[in-house]
Formats: sequence, C-alpha cells, structure tokens
Amino acid sequence: RKEVEQDPGPFNVPEGATVAFNCTYSNSASQSFFWYRQDCRKEPKLLMSVYSSGNEDGRFTAQLNRASQYISLLIRDSKLSDSATYLCVVYNQGGKLIFGQGTELSVKP
Amino acid sequence: DADVTQTPRNRITKTGKRIMLECSQTKGHDRMYWYRQDPGLGLRLIYYSFDVKDINKGEISDGYSVSRQAQAKFSLSLESAIPNQTALYFCATSDLAGGANTGELFFGEGSRLTVL
Repeated sequence: RKEVEQDPGPFNVPEGATVAFNCTYSNSASQSFFWYRQDCRKEPKLLMSVYSSGNEDGRFTAQLNRASQYISLLIRDSKLSDSATYLCVVYNQGGKLIFGQGTELSVKP
Repeated sequence: DADVTQTPRNRITKTGKRIMLECSQTKGHDRMYWYRQDPGLGLRLIYYSFDVKDINKGEISDGYSVSRQAQAKFSLSLESAIPNQTALYFCATSDLAGGANTGELFFGEGSRLTVL
C-alpha cells in the first residue's frame, strides 16, 4: 500500500463548479500535511498547508482528519486557471516529505 | 535567476552509460532532495540530505547515488543507466523554521532523462 494515496482523476468540471479532492495516508505518526499544485511540465509549488482545525485561503479550503488519516482540498468557484495536478504531501518522522500520485483537475469553459 | 538550478534540463543517453544530474541552490537551505516523477506515480523520493555530511536513502534509491559537495550543491548519479530510469527528475530544497519543517519545498525546473 502506498504511504499517501489520492484519486488520480482526471476531474473534469465546468467553470464555477465546486470540486473536492481526497487523500489518505497510512503512517499515523505523520506530522504535517500540505497541498501542492503542479502545472503541466512544471515543478510543483506549495498551495497551502493543512491544519488540524481546517484552514481556508480564498476559494481553497483544506481539512485534516487525523482519526481517519484523511486530508481534503475543496476548491470553490473553479476557474480555468485552476486546471493543474494537485499533490497531497505528508511530512513524516525523519524529515521526509512523501507525495501522493496527484489528482488531475481540468476546468472547462 | 532561478533559486534552484538543475543541469542538464534534458538528456538522452544509452543503456549502461553513467549520468550525473546536478543541482545547485542559492536559497541557503541545508536540506536538499532528489525526486523522480513518472506518470501516474507522482513524485518518489530517491535521496535526501540535511547537511553536507548527511546522506539518506529515500523510497527508491537502488541504481542511484548522490554526492553533497557543498551546502549549495547536491548531485545525483546513475552509475549504469537503464531504460526504466527514464523519468523527470526534480531537485528540491527546504528549510527549518522554528525547528519544524515548514513543508515548503523549492523545486528546480526538472531534468528530463531518457534512457534508450
């Protein structure tokens, strides 16, 4: 079983839609959680950290459920520019940042 | 100029050849990483280093070696390249803030390696 798992998609949604991505992790000792965004053929970039209480950054909301070992990312009012691959990342003991395989989002006009 | 620079950006080589991918950074970070990315598999950690004297294996270190020549430089070698090492390779750096990893990795633009 992969340490961090995501639904690879693709998710094809119309502009203005709300879309949610899920991620599960297997190591209960995982310490920190993040969402990264990767545009086609580009390097990944940090989108947002995920806090236990949940956190929001504009149209993006991240949630963490430690009991279920589950992280989510909600995007409201999708824009064409949101089209990208979204990577769930988990920081484990020993300083390793482990990536999920990514979820591809395509927002259509 | 980019903060994390990888060379070469693209390389085509043949099976059995030795290949080195180089990474240099101007961010002053102690931690450096090498990842490879394959379609459908995401980024997988090959090796990482927390300072010049520190080298650690990641998920998929077999067939690779690394050298941390200085705080700013971290190179990845394929001693005898094979076709299933064809992939996009990323170097990244990170920093510690208040003793905790902020989780923010700063990536180079990637090195696309093709092994024929």
